Amino acid sequence: AQTVTQSQPEMSVQEAETVTLSCTYDTSESDYYLFWYKQPPSRQMILVIRQEAYKQQNATENRFSVNFQKAAKSFSLKISDSQLGDAAMYFCAYRGGNNAGNMLTFGGGTRLMVKP
Amino acid sequence: NAGVTQTPKFRILKIGQSMTLQCTQDMNHNYMYWYRQDPGMGLKLIYYSVGAGITDKGEVPNGYNVSRSTTEDFPLRLELAAPSQTSVYFCASSYKAQVDNEQFFGPGTRLTVL
Repeated sequence: AQTVTQSQPEMSVQEAETVTLSCTYDTSESDYYLFWYKQPPSRQMILVIRQEAYKQQNATENRFSVNFQKAAKSFSLKISDSQLGDAAMYFCAYRGGNNAGNMLTFGGGTRLMVKP
Repeated sequence: NAGVTQTPKFRILKIGQSMTLQCTQDMNHNYMYWYRQDPGMGLKLIYYSVGAGITDKGEVPNGYNVSRSTTEDFPLRLELAAPSQTSVYFCASSYKAQVDNEQFFGPGTRLTVL
């Protein structure tokens, strides 16, 4: 079974600065997808960014980018120019390419605090 | 287009009671999911469905039942509620034909069992 590990329970960043959240995963598959979800205090799960394992280029969405290291099974999220609205729980998630139900396996989450 | 809706938003149950958590999506998605999120933890899959009439167990199915009679609805049934089922429950859906199968989540139901 796949596992997803987020080793940082909490992180803190100053507004306008950059922060990186870590995620590692364990799998024997070669084809899969990785996601970062944001969960603000409203509890709504919001997709931040996604990465296909077969793409070598790191995904980027505005201020959010990933550092995908397939050999190391690492998938970190970088948030640039942090804003107060970025404060939330962030979850890393994995979906296998041969997963019949397209189910997600989530990490335990990292709480990001943004200081003004 | 409301997306994924869940009712109720909050509920308190006594031990041994039963209830059904409702989930509806209006995006014509094939796949639907139920997750639970315990305090300070990530989401764990309870049950999922790949289409009407087809359901299967996830990681933590004990104490729950599901049915999928229509594409839109995927209710989760709790029988004999226990304190260990105190959690936030999320329903999600995704479209099979979309390459990365992004899952869209409902707003969650906070359940407390006393």
